[in-house]
Amino acid sequence: AQSVTQLDSQVPVFEEAPVELRCNYSSSVSVYLFWYVQYPNQGLQLLLKYLSGSTLVKGINGFEAEFNKSQTSFHLRKPSVHISDTAEYFCAVTPRGGGYNKLIFGAGTRLAVHP
Amino acid sequence: DTAVSQTPKYLVTQMGNDKSIKCEQNLGHDTMYWYKQDSKKFLKIMFSYNNKELIINETVPNRFSPKSPDKAHLNLHINSLELGDSAVYFCASSRAHTGELFFGEGSRLTVL
Repeated sequence: AQSVTQLDSQVPVFEEAPVELRCNYSSSVSVYLFWYVQYPNQGLQLLLKYLSGSTLVKGINGFEAEFNKSQTSFHLRKPSVHISDTAEYFCAVTPRGGGYNKLIFGAGTRLAVHP
Repeated sequence: DTAVSQTPKYLVTQMGNDKSIKCEQNLGHDTMYWYKQDSKKFLKIMFSYNNKELIINETVPNRFSPKSPDKAHLNLHINSLELGDSAVYFCASSRAHTGELFFGEGSRLTVL
């Protein structure tokens, strides 16, 4: 079975500051890793994903994440945030080769960007 | 064109009633899902269908019954609604082996 822990439930940050949202996972098999974003009153949208290859992956809106297998982490970063980045961010995993994409989500991190 | 659309967006009803939420995707995906998001924003998978066949059925009360008339539609029917069923229900779809889910905007169910 898999589980995902997002270490911060809320992250307040000032506009143009850097931010890191932390995600650790647990799994007995290899996994694919994802970050999704949920803007207020909307569905989830994929930010980025790690399937294989380079451990540093770039996504939309200037976000990037680094897969660290030894630390079983997949932290999300952005060098300079905007007010519009205020949203809920979810880390998720699914077993490799599972085929049917049963995503297991973390509890979410609320990013609040202040002017 | 909305890729994954759900109706209704808001649903307010009394305990004990039966209600349905409909979902349609126009992405040509083979797999569709229902997720439940509780008041603390926690997301949990409920069901998944692949080409109209049920492939994931988490420990959901049997008051919840999904139905997939074709691979573009996945509906959720809930019998004898309880207060604890209040949540936002998200429909999603995907191609196999990609891990990328496309979500609808959610249906907020409030049981009084």
